[in-house]
Amino acid sequence: LAKTTQPISMDSYEGQEVNITCSHNNIATNDYITWYQQFPSQGPRFIIQGYKTKVTNEVASLFIPADRKSSTLSLPRVSLSDTAVYYCLVLNYGGSQGNLIFGKGTKLSVKP
Amino acid sequence: DAGVTQSPTHLIKTRGQHVTLRCSPISGHKSVSWYQQVLGQGPQFIFQYYEKEERGRGNFPDRFSARQFPNYSSELNVNALLLGDSALYLCASSFPGQGSSYEQYFGPGTRLTVT
Repeated sequence: LAKTTQPISMDSYEGQEVNITCSHNNIATNDYITWYQQFPSQGPRFIIQGYKTKVTNEVASLFIPADRKSSTLSLPRVSLSDTAVYYCLVLNYGGSQGNLIFGKGTKLSVKP
Repeated sequence: DAGVTQSPTHLIKTRGQHVTLRCSPISGHKSVSWYQQVLGQGPQFIFQYYEKEERGRGNFPDRFSARQFPNYSSELNVNALLLGDSALYLCASSFPGQGSSYEQYFGPGTRLTVT
């Protein structure tokens, strides 16, 4: 399983764009990059998943360079409610492992 | 539609006791996974059940066991509780027919405190 490295914490202000970068040097051909968000005292919530280039949904964008050894989660114009822990995961799509391997994540604090 | 539900929400137990935690997946989901999350850490995988069979087990001692019922609900049992078992226990379910893990729907968790 590819190991991921991401910053422990980040601070931002309301209205700013936040970019959280994740390193996954040992990513395999069949691996996808997936991000989860977790608010205090709640279970994690799926945000976005991608394989290469750029993926965008109503919540975030995910940028993946050609070598796929890193990825960047971009949150546009954050608000106080975006304060949460963000986890980067590398998953083997279609695998039957049925489990998610979480690291410590990045604790994002959004200030007014 | 109701999301993943877990019971109880909070629980206090004494060392050496056992505990049973319950989870009801989203309707139509056949896969249920359990995770343990201690303060300051990401969730750690304990078990996955799919169609009532164990499909994966994390690095947890045999004091931890689980099962899945015909209605796809699940129980996590922990025997001989230790102080270190104090954590948030999360249940997650995923779409039918998918053994893949990328999008799991988590419940709110059960906060277990062992004294």
